[in-house]
Amino acid sequence: GAVVSQHPSWVICKSGTSVKIECRSLDFQATTMFWYRQFPKQSLMLMATSNEGSKATYEQGVEKDKFLINHASLTLSTLTVTSAHPEDSSFYICSAREEGAVLLGEQYFGPGTRLTVT
Amino acid sequence: EDQVTQSPEALRLQEGESSSLNCSYTVSGLRGLFWYRQDPGKGPEFLFTLYSAGEEKEKERLKATLTKKESFLHITAPKPEDSATYLCAVQPLANMNTGFQKLVFGTGTRLLVSP
Repeated sequence: GAVVSQHPSWVICKSGTSVKIECRSLDFQATTMFWYRQFPKQSLMLMATSNEGSKATYEQGVEKDKFLINHASLTLSTLTVTSAHPEDSSFYICSAREEGAVLLGEQYFGPGTRLTVT
Repeated sequence: EDQVTQSPEALRLQEGESSSLNCSYTVSGLRGLFWYRQDPGKGPEFLFTLYSAGEEKEKERLKATLTKKESFLHITAPKPEDSATYLCAVQPLANMNTGFQKLVFGTGTRLLVSP
């Protein structure tokens, strides 16, 4: 089946620094990738949708200058959390949609990245 | 506003004790409803897609059904390895003005199956 990887799986950084998270589709081409955020015991909140080669579409309330998304190829998207603060600590999950997929829900999720900002 | 509500929030079962999880939804129009399984510290794993009322899908001990207002995930004779959080999401019809769509997730049901 389709596999999505994320790196790193967890990261601890100091307040004010930037962190980059990578999301790769390993065995398929993903024209669309999604970035989600999940707080403990809460559901996934979509942060942004990115299409290969174009600018990401951010959800209302998500600061595009703080959460930089780049989708440079059909298999790689990156999320950079700039000037991270403790309130940015969360579980970040990416997902990828295979080229030709009809429904949004047929996304393949990565294993997530646990970010802790101290 | 499109909304998805899952119940119960948590469910504890004995091994072999069948039960159902509920996903109620309110959307202007439904393109699809999806069930996922999420293990602690992991991303969701896609289970089922349901398109229209009356549809059913099965996979091992799991069976998903759909009506016009809700979906059920039936778990028959569960095993401890079925312990996970089960998420439901809907894809509403596209916004007529923007054409944009996004999934709307419920908060999940945490299932614990004891041996």
